[in-house]
Amino acid sequence: EAQVTQNPRYLITVTGKKLTVTCSQNMNHEYMSWYRQDPGLGLRQIYYSMNVEVTDKGDVPEGYKVSRKEKRNFPLILESPSPNQTSLYFCASSTSRGRTYEQYFGPGTRLTVT
Amino acid sequence: RKEVEQDPGPFNVPEGATVAFNCTYSNSASQSFFWYRQDCRKEPKLLMSVYSSGNEDGRFTAQLNRASQYISLLIRDSKLSDSATYLCVAHTGRRALTFGSGTRLQVQP
Repeated sequence: EAQVTQNPRYLITVTGKKLTVTCSQNMNHEYMSWYRQDPGLGLRQIYYSMNVEVTDKGDVPEGYKVSRKEKRNFPLILESPSPNQTSLYFCASSTSRGRTYEQYFGPGTRLTVT
Repeated sequence: RKEVEQDPGPFNVPEGATVAFNCTYSNSASQSFFWYRQDCRKEPKLLMSVYSSGNEDGRFTAQLNRASQYISLLIRDSKLSDSATYLCVAHTGRRALTFGSGTRLQVQP
């Protein structure tokens, strides 16, 4: 089954404790992206990757890191989480061959930073 | 000003009603537009693309007005299962999609 998976689905952590949210897709998609969703603000892009070893900042990259060492994986790293990073996070992927708009989203990771 | 703006709603309509959402965008360089659907606490999923000539898919019709920079979604004969948040999306070049905050629809029996 074609899908995007994220882990963990729920995470409660404390300020400053490094964490990683994993994202994996099995569709051989070149393009992957991370979004955060907050009430009233909609989905905002954090980072994206056009292919392996190619990443770039989105609209709200501060406080986040990413890496793309393999095509299927695109982990999101919070080196020192803060309460303002409490949010719902989505990973998405798509083929870059003309249809980057049809993004497939993972189920989301609900992060709470206390 | 947000790049893509939507009325957050909620729109409460009875089953069988016709409902329309509008969305405006500020970046005239936006090339493509889409509607995504998001159920409560779930991931967004592509509903349909929006073309200048209009796009119809069953009970759903999407239209784009580039001169006025707005996009519309019309849902006819609303079903209970249409209850969701509808996200208006603009695509500008290779970078990414810009999402509106969404319009919530609640279809009531």
